[in-house]
Amino acid sequence: QQQVKQSPQSLIVQKGGISIINCAYENTAFDYFPWYQQFPGKGPALLIAIRPDVSEKKEGRFTISFNKSAKQFSLHIMDSQPGDSATYFCAASSAAGNKLTFGGGTRVLVKP
Amino acid sequence: DGGITQSPKYLFRKEGQNVTLSCEQNLNHDAMYWYRQDPGQGLRLIYYSQIVNDFQKGDIAEGYSVSREKKESFPLTVTSAQKNPTAFYLCASSRSGFSNTEAFFGQGTRLTVV
Repeated sequence: QQQVKQSPQSLIVQKGGISIINCAYENTAFDYFPWYQQFPGKGPALLIAIRPDVSEKKEGRFTISFNKSAKQFSLHIMDSQPGDSATYFCAASSAAGNKLTFGGGTRVLVKP
Repeated sequence: DGGITQSPKYLFRKEGQNVTLSCEQNLNHDAMYWYRQDPGQGLRLIYYSQIVNDFQKGDIAEGYSVSREKKESFPLTVTSAQKNPTAFYLCASSRSGFSNTEAFFGQGTRLTVV
């Protein structure tokens, strides 16, 4: 059972464009939604995270939009750069849980 | 430098052998985790430990074992009972549970069965 569904699996965007990755979750107890960025052969690194008490969070060119009623959240990468080419994972966790549930990942390629 | 160190980076295992992957952290984190990464499937939790001398099974614990004798160390043994061990293994740590603090990942160990 996949509790966090992520789409698309891969994404190609031109430099300067907007990358959008979507995630949907099922467990209404989830209350922490981080996004991780992973480069080939490396471990994931926390990019940005949001809690359900806000609908949007922005850090530089990265923005999370959160829709609690729809149980969906998304990552927007503005002004995409070739250095943003990586795999992005959404994830979710609950205060009562001790684990992070990951989506399947999205491989983003930014063409110069 | 503070962080998580996984070793080795690459590991080759023969059929029927047990192998142990090392994970060490100097962040003074209480919680440590092992994840398995397969192409297109995201990360799946194998085992986790919130405190020394205690650990819990994750979603795919069969064929794996762990120990937590020291706060800074959380080795993972892939046993011969694991039917498909070829994967990228990631160790992580956090000050407490995932929902409260940032999790830090190591650089991973790529295990291949030959």
